[in-house]
Amino acid sequence: QSALTQPASVSGSPGQSITISCTGTSSDIGAYNYVSWYQQHPGKAPKLIISEVSGRPSGVPDRFSGSKSGNSASLTISGLQAEDEADYYCSSFTSSVTLVFGGGTKLTVL
Amino acid sequence: EVQLLESGGGLVQPGGSLRLSCTASGFTFSNYAMSWVRQAPGKGLEWVSGISGSGTSTYYADSVRGRFTLSRDNSKNTLYLQMNSLRAEDTARYYCARDKHDTSLVWFDPWGQGTLVSVSS
Repeated sequence: QSALTQPASVSGSPGQSITISCTGTSSDIGAYNYVSWYQQHPGKAPKLIISEVSGRPSGVPDRFSGSKSGNSASLTISGLQAEDEADYYCSSFTSSVTLVFGGGTKLTVL
Repeated sequence: EVQLLESGGGLVQPGGSLRLSCTASGFTFSNYAMSWVRQAPGKGLEWVSGISGSGTSTYYADSVRGRFTLSRDNSKNTLYLQMNSLRAEDTARYYCARDKHDTSLVWFDPWGQGTLVSVSS
């Protein structure tokens, strides 16, 4: 049950686009379309922003998008805004019938 | 409005036990799988355990299997996490989260605000 691999930090200026990668294995991301992404602001509970690779829950701006290729998934935020500054986590169902999270990525809006 | 309210956290000595509860409202509790996710201070998210809507299937992370037991009482809309043989590394905020309908371990929405567990002598 090794954690999925995410970059520790990414940054971008307002209006720019950023992409956060999430790398797993053929037993998790590569095997299922059950990759999700969560946003967590300091002191707050995580919030679902992408479900099942590219689904966007109601209320999530279309600036947020997800994709998957092979054993890796990505979260892209376009038109970066100050309120997007937060920690982001990916997750995936695994063949062991467990769920694994990525280590998290801190997004800084410059 | 869908709400999840955790309780039962606190300070416990190593080797001790604690039972967390998560009370749900605003949806048909028995129709949804549920999970616990924890976050150690300053660290990332770690999935702990999940349970199907009926309660007949449970799933555990290797780090807690054999020490933690997840159960639910659908008549009380409540999820329980019995934690035994607690270790310092179990110190974390524990979040209760609703799964995608009756399917387990797909995505979590919403999450409760969490309850803090501290294991220390």
